[in-house]
Amino acid sequence: AQKVTQAQTEISVVEKEDVTLDCVYETRDTTYYLFWYKQPPSGELVFLIRRNSFDEQNEISGRYSWNFQKSTSSFNFTITASQVVDSAVYFCALLNSGYALNFGKGTSLLVTP
Amino acid sequence: ETGVTQTPRHLVMGMTNKKSLKCEQHLGHNAMYWYKQSAKKPLELMFVYNFKEQTENNSVPSRFSPECPNSSHLFLHLHTLQPEDSALYLCASSQERVGTEAFFGQGTRLTVV
Repeated sequence: AQKVTQAQTEISVVEKEDVTLDCVYETRDTTYYLFWYKQPPSGELVFLIRRNSFDEQNEISGRYSWNFQKSTSSFNFTITASQVVDSAVYFCALLNSGYALNFGKGTSLLVTP
Repeated sequence: ETGVTQTPRHLVMGMTNKKSLKCEQHLGHNAMYWYKQSAKKPLELMFVYNFKEQTENNSVPSRFSPECPNSSHLFLHLHTLQPEDSALYLCASSQERVGTEAFFGQGTRLTVV
């Protein structure tokens, strides 16, 4: 069985604070893919990153960084110096074989001025 | 502007109505998906089409009927829906290779009255 847990339902930070969104996954497969998506109020899910299970290298893209640790089955997402425009719901997702993304329940991030 | 376009953006329908949701992608992808997003629940995969062939039906009630006339267009035909079917319906597309990221439309907010 595969499962994605995002334990943080809602997070509120003040602008310029750093914030980490947690994602823990469960899978028995050795080959799998992990994703993060952002859903702003407009509704569409915006793709942020994909990692495959053989690549544990952390990644940084501007203010965004991702920490993938197979030992703890975690794929955490950090936003540095948060901005109001970062306010959205963020989803972590797992893909094994096939095409079906398994999403977590999402973390709602509110960044206030 | 997203490469996946959904119409209408909002839809209110009675339980006896018949309506259709439309999705069009301009990304050259061959896999298309319907997801349902209800309040307080993870995104649920409904249908998968790969090269116009339905490859997955995730136990969706027959009152939802998908149609994929070509790789760029996907429809979801609705009839005799229930109020609990009210949700955000998201269309997505991806390359047909396993493990690739999906790109989402802005969704259709459906309200069944």
